[in-house]
Amino acid sequence: QAGLTQPPSVSKGLRQTATLTCTGNSNNVGDQGAAWLQQHQGHPPKLLSYRNNNRPSGISERLSASRSGNTASLTITGLQPEDEADYYCSAWDSSLSVWVFGGGTKLTVL
Amino acid sequence: EVQLLESGGGLLQPGGSLRLSCAASGFTFSSYAMTWVRQAPGKGLEWVSSISDSARNTYYADSVKGRFTISRDNSKNTLYLQMNSLRAEDTALYYCSLDTGAFDTWGQGTMVTVSS
Repeated sequence: QAGLTQPPSVSKGLRQTATLTCTGNSNNVGDQGAAWLQQHQGHPPKLLSYRNNNRPSGISERLSASRSGNTASLTITGLQPEDEADYYCSAWDSSLSVWVFGGGTKLTVL
Repeated sequence: EVQLLESGGGLLQPGGSLRLSCAASGFTFSSYAMTWVRQAPGKGLEWVSSISDSARNTYYADSVKGRFTISRDNSKNTLYLQMNSLRAEDTALYYCSLDTGAFDTWGQGTMVTVSS
């Protein structure tokens, strides 16, 4: 069960914009869309968006998600120190009937 | 408030068995699918297994198929993961998650360590 592809790390400056990517295939990201999760060290993951750009209540408007073909993206504007975390994408693979995760991207705010 | 509380983790030898539990509250448990996700120390998230709201449908990662069994008791608002033939590579923090089509809410996790 191959996972989704995410860059291992992204570094951006304070108040800058970071765009994280997640690439799958037509059976997962390209079909069902992707969800994004944030995980701070020592804490469980937290859902940031689902089905490409639906935000749960309480999630900052600085975060937005999108999809183009088989690639999903999470854009975070006005980076703050608290945005420094690991970010994971996930998607349901309708062909394999399994959930797949990306390997995670460590976002560093300089 | 939606809450998930995992329990049952521990230290055991390869080949052993363990049953994890996840007690749910704050939502209508019987109306939602549930999922187990694990995270090995210093590693990323790995989906383990999911179960539909009625328990009619279950799904497993290849890495645990045939060894792990997911189940639920809707009368007790509890999710389970029976883990048999445990291996060192099963060592991880095991989370349960409310599955609303995305991993909506997570518990704090329960640690499973498989070591001789």
